[in-house]
Amino acid sequence: QSVLTQPPSVSAAPGQKVTISCSGSSSNIGNNYVSWYQQLPGTAPKLLIYDNNKRPSGIPDRFSGSKSGTSATLGITGLQTGDEADYYCGTWESSLRAVVFGGGTKLTVL
Amino acid sequence: EVQLVESGGGVVQPGGSLRLSCAASGFTFDDYAMHWVRQAPGKGLEWVSLISGDGGSTYYADSVKGRFTISRDNSKNSLYLQMNSLRTEDTAFYYCAKTVVIGAFDIWGQGTMVTVSS
Repeated sequence: QSVLTQPPSVSAAPGQKVTISCSGSSSNIGNNYVSWYQQLPGTAPKLLIYDNNKRPSGIPDRFSGSKSGTSATLGITGLQTGDEADYYCGTWESSLRAVVFGGGTKLTVL
Repeated sequence: EVQLVESGGGVVQPGGSLRLSCAASGFTFDDYAMHWVRQAPGKGLEWVSLISGDGGSTYYADSVKGRFTISRDNSKNSLYLQMNSLRTEDTAFYYCAKTVVIGAFDIWGQGTMVTVSS
């Protein structure tokens, strides 16, 4: 059981937009920054978003992040088949003094 | 090129020990906190441990506290994870990761597989 809650799967057609939610509490998302990772099959995770909405260099602006209260959202526009992957949210959990992740969301581009 | 390369994984019996290493290059190693994150086959990411840039502060997931020890040698640009009293549930890919800001990792290694089995 993950501390952060994500939907197990989402799907959308190529070219469309999809959002992935990440729900937590005041001790994690509510008072800390959220990051998002993309994990393609058989590869290490890749940072997409940090500090709720900042993109590392090289990450296209099709990927965006937002946070409101104890929830965060990853948005992906202009979906491509290459976006099919598992997506994870993560943040610092103040009560545990630990990093916590969501259970992951599998994106299918139909 | 910024790079992290893990090594030391393998097959070990329950109750055994293993030491993972992570060689860093392409950045000023001691400027950054470092982490270990693991992923059991077919499962999600699980954070394992964190060490500050100077090695003075360490944090552990409850699942490994008292069994695993994180350390670093800044003179060798290397990160380590000593794993003792291994359990079957410790079977996973183990990644080392560099902190960009607290709770976020911008560079990951390719991972090293640890299998705990009799």
